[in-house]
Amino acid sequence: DIVMTQSPLSLPVTPGEPASISCRSSQSLLHSNGYNYLDWYLQKPGQSPQVLIYLASNRASGVPDRFSGSGSGTEFTLKISTVEAEDVGVYYCMEALQSPHTFGQGTRLEIK
Amino acid sequence: EVQLVESGGGLVQPGGSLRISCAASGFTFSTYWMHWVRQAPGKGLVWVSHISGDGSRSNYADSVKGRFTISRDNAKNTMYLQMNSLTAEDTALYYCMGWSRTSGGQWGQGTLVTVST
Repeated sequence: DIVMTQSPLSLPVTPGEPASISCRSSQSLLHSNGYNYLDWYLQKPGQSPQVLIYLASNRASGVPDRFSGSGSGTEFTLKISTVEAEDVGVYYCMEALQSPHTFGQGTRLEIK
Repeated sequence: EVQLVESGGGLVQPGGSLRISCAASGFTFSTYWMHWVRQAPGKGLVWVSHISGDGSRSNYADSVKGRFTISRDNAKNTMYLQMNSLTAEDTALYYCMGWSRTSGGQWGQGTLVTVST
């Protein structure tokens, strides 16, 4: 099974400041089709998860452009250029390459 | 607009069975791999099972293999999870998720399964 490791697990951020979350996989997520099968999800308090980024760097429909994803192989990063109050919640990376699909432990972003 | 609506959750005794459903709309259901993901109270997301668009392929997490069965009815745009031999460790909010390479994962609101006496 692929192990997904996120850091940090807790992320206090001042509004207007940038934030970055790292996700590492124990195996490469690069498919032979050239895509990295890594998604980023945000679970806001009391809500279902929502997709932010799919295939490592594709911003989902309706997601603000302050969110961006990068990386390839086994190392990936989610960046928020300027954090807003509405960005609080738990961020998860998920490998979509092979089953059993696995999630990172989650990174809780809070506003300072 | 993609919409996924789970139903069928509830309270069940240890050793009991339950079938939960996920009704889909707003997309071509038969082209999506569909997943079940669960979240125990206060915990993270855990993948449970998935099924291919035509229903011919499926897989399970080790923790549910042999007890849970995933299925889908493309004519009804609905996916199911039959859960047998339930234990307290299966208590969780169960989400259905539809995944595609062009949109990532779309999630429902979840249905709560509680295993308790």
